Amino acid sequence: AQKVTQAQTEISVVEKEDVTLDCVYETRDTTYYLFWYKQPPSGELVFLIRRNSFDEQNEISGRYSWNFQKSTSSFNFTITASQVVDSAVYFCALSLWSSASKIIFGSGTRLSIRP
Amino acid sequence: KAGVTQTPRYLIKTRGQQVTLSCSPISGHRSVSWYQQTPGQGLQFLFEYFSETQRNKGNFPGRFSGRQFSNSRSEMNVSTLELGDSALYLCASSFRIQAENTGELFFGEGSRLTVL
Repeated sequence: AQKVTQAQTEISVVEKEDVTLDCVYETRDTTYYLFWYKQPPSGELVFLIRRNSFDEQNEISGRYSWNFQKSTSSFNFTITASQVVDSAVYFCALSLWSSASKIIFGSGTRLSIRP
Repeated sequence: KAGVTQTPRYLIKTRGQQVTLSCSPISGHRSVSWYQQTPGQGLQFLFEYFSETQRNKGNFPGRFSGRQFSNSRSEMNVSTLELGDSALYLCASSFRIQAENTGELFFGEGSRLTVL
């Protein structure tokens, strides 16, 4: 069975601080996707990134960066110089190659950025 | 390009009633998935439709059903509503060429159902 664990339920930091959201996943499959989604108060899930299990390269997109390590089954997300607009619930998720639309979500981390 | 549209956005029902939620995917997307989000269980996959056929199904009772029309629009139905069905129901669409695999999922803002 697949599982995604986000141990941090809530994080609160002051604006401009860096913050890392942790994600640990479990699967016996060798081919899978990993995701991060952002959910603002409006409710819509906003796609941030998708990585496949063959691509362990870290990725940077502006203030966002992702660290994928298969050895520790982790896919952590770092926001550099956080801003108030980054406040949201962030979900890490996993899907198998064979049923890629069936996404298993973690429980989410509520991130609050204080001005 | 219009996003995923879900209707209604909010609705209130009583136990025992049934409800139908609608989802219009992004133009050109043929795959529609449904998810339930509750404070206790989090985000859970309900089912996926592609080319009017259910391709994947989550672990939900038969009271939860869905369908997809030839224009890719999808509906989900919950019969004999229970208090625990109160949730945000999210629809997602993706561009899928064939039955296997799928592209990035684009989510709608959801339909918030309250069961009294």
